[in-house]
Amino acid sequence: GQNIDQPTEMTATEGAIVQINCTYQTSGFNGLFWYQQHAGEAPTFLSYNVLDGLEEKGRFSSFLSRSKGYSYLLLKELQMKDSASYLCAVREGAGNMLTFGGGTRLMVKP
Amino acid sequence: DSGVTQTPKHLITATGQRVTLRCSPRSGDLSVYWYQQSLDQGLQFLIQYYNGEERAKGNILERFSAQQFPDLHSELNLSSLELGDSALYFCASGRGGEGIPEAFFGQGTRLTVV
Repeated sequence: GQNIDQPTEMTATEGAIVQINCTYQTSGFNGLFWYQQHAGEAPTFLSYNVLDGLEEKGRFSSFLSRSKGYSYLLLKELQMKDSASYLCAVREGAGNMLTFGGGTRLMVKP
Repeated sequence: DSGVTQTPKHLITATGQRVTLRCSPRSGDLSVYWYQQSLDQGLQFLIQYYNGEERAKGNILERFSAQQFPDLHSELNLSSLELGDSALYFCASGRGGEGIPEAFFGQGTRLTVV
């Protein structure tokens, strides 16, 4: 089984930087995903890490440490439209099934 | 638009009834995943099909069943519905094989049981 933890809510200011952490416990780790989900909408893929280190994609970066069971999503130059839930998900084993954390609701304020 | 199509978008039904949710995956994707998202529980994996066969099972109730057809579309059947089954049901599809194994989500079916 898996245990995935992330903060429930965070607040940040427009133009700032925010880091959303995710810790996990799993056997057979085979990748970590970050998804963005606006209320009532479908989750959309943001990033994928399977090896240790930082993956950068525009304003969003994601970091993974497999030995620590830890990842973070870094959002730079925050915009109001970044207000959403951010879901950490872990892939276990060879299948593509993902187990999601409870999500972090990010509120961006002017 | 993710390319994954779910119908219907909204469904209101009474307790005890049975409903069928439909999902058409992205062109070329062989895997279909079903997830349930309720307000207090987040995204919960229900079941996965790959090229017509059940591949993985999560916390899916016995009252729920699914199948994937030869044309790769999938249906999720929910029976003997209870108030607690009210949730957003998402279908996602994925390619498998090489490359980043991300899942692409449909817009979901919002089920309300009254």
